[in-house]
This record gives sequence, C-alpha cells and structure tokens, in this order.
Amino acid sequence: NAGVMQNPRHLVRRRGQEARLRCSPMKGHSHVYWYRQLPEEGLKFMVYLQKENIIDESGMPKERFSAEFPKEGPSILRIQQVVRGDSAAYFCASSNLGPGEAFFGQGTRLTVV
Amino acid sequence: GQQLNQSPQSMFIQEGEDVSMNCTSSSIFNTWLWYKQDPGEGPVLLIALYKAGELTSNGRLTAQFGITRKDSFLNISASIPSDVGIYFCAGLPEEYGNKLVFGAGTILRVKS
Repeated sequence: NAGVMQNPRHLVRRRGQEARLRCSPMKGHSHVYWYRQLPEEGLKFMVYLQKENIIDESGMPKERFSAEFPKEGPSILRIQQVVRGDSAAYFCASSNLGPGEAFFGQGTRLTVV
Repeated sequence: GQQLNQSPQSMFIQEGEDVSMNCTSSSIFNTWLWYKQDPGEGPVLLIALYKAGELTSNGRLTAQFGITRKDSFLNISASIPSDVGIYFCAGLPEEYGNKLVFGAGTILRVKS
C-alpha cells in the first residue's frame, strides 16, 4: 500500500469550515475508493470513482460531501461546513482491477473542533 | 445492507500459540479479503480469496473461502509479538460488487 498517497495525514478544522482530503492513487490505477473509519470500528464505504466518473456514491451523505477524480491530479474528498460528527479517519484505496485488488493509503485523520 | 459478523472482537494470547478468527454473513460474497491494520496506518492486504472452498496461505497465515460463500476464516500459526494489530475481514457482496464490506475487526494482543 506504500504507493497510495494521502494528504494531509492529520487535519483539524473548526465547525463550519471546509475539509479537503487528497488521494493520489498508485501509478496506473484508475479506480479510487473512499472509506471512513470511526475509532474501534471497521471501514465504511463512501464512494467509488473512476477517472472523471462517479461510479457509486451510495455510501456518501447527500449533503455537504462530494468527491471527484479528475483526469489529471489526485482524487479529492470534500466536506463542506464540517460538524463534530465528521471527525474520523478517511482512507482512500486504489486499484486497476476493481475493489478486490485495492491498496489503501495511510489515511487522513480529520478532527473537527 | 450486507453485514459481516467478525469474531472474536479481541484476543489475548500467548506468544507461539495459534490464532483463529472468522467472518460470517447472511449474504453471499464473491470475494473475501483479510487485512491487518496497525495503529495510525491504513489496512494492508494479507490474503485474497476468490473461489468457494479456496484455501490460501501467506507465510504463517492461512485463510479459507467458505463453501457456502457466506463465511471465511483466518488462522495465524505460532504467533509472535509483531502480529499485534487489528485484523479485518472484507468481502465483495454478490449483489453489489463495487463495495468492499468490512467486518468490525478482531484486536489481537500477544503476551510476550
């Protein structure tokens, strides 16, 4: 999983601010997945993207959350007007064959104060 | 949605002992994966299983894809201190193949 780069590793935001989480997939990978993890819990699927397309966003809240994977550049998970309940670790995974061969990044730990 | 029941929730074992954990579901899965997550890190893929009945090893780790396609187990033989961490099962449901569904994890603590 060393090739999937997420930044920042830690992000602190005040309530109402915007949080932008970046994910650079492994070289050659065109599938990106975002997951959210609360302490002591497993990972919860949020969204699945291929280059320039959202394939499945059924795990992502309809409001305040959005994701993109542009033709050039990293995938971005954006959370607008953050609330305390958004505090969690957000993980990105990438693959070139679908989720069964996905490799995870080290995550971004978002803290909303 | 699909749920994975992972057990046990935690284990505290003596170094050198064998460890077994499993995941079950009421739904059918096409793929079973086992990950290990160290504190502050992302999950690392340990073993991937793609066919019912498949038994796969990776060093001291062995995992099996259940015949019913609704369960999987992971065994760790001769545990050592660096085995400490959280182990997650994950699966690709037959019904919604895009989304890896994760179990809640098994926390492994090893007495040295």
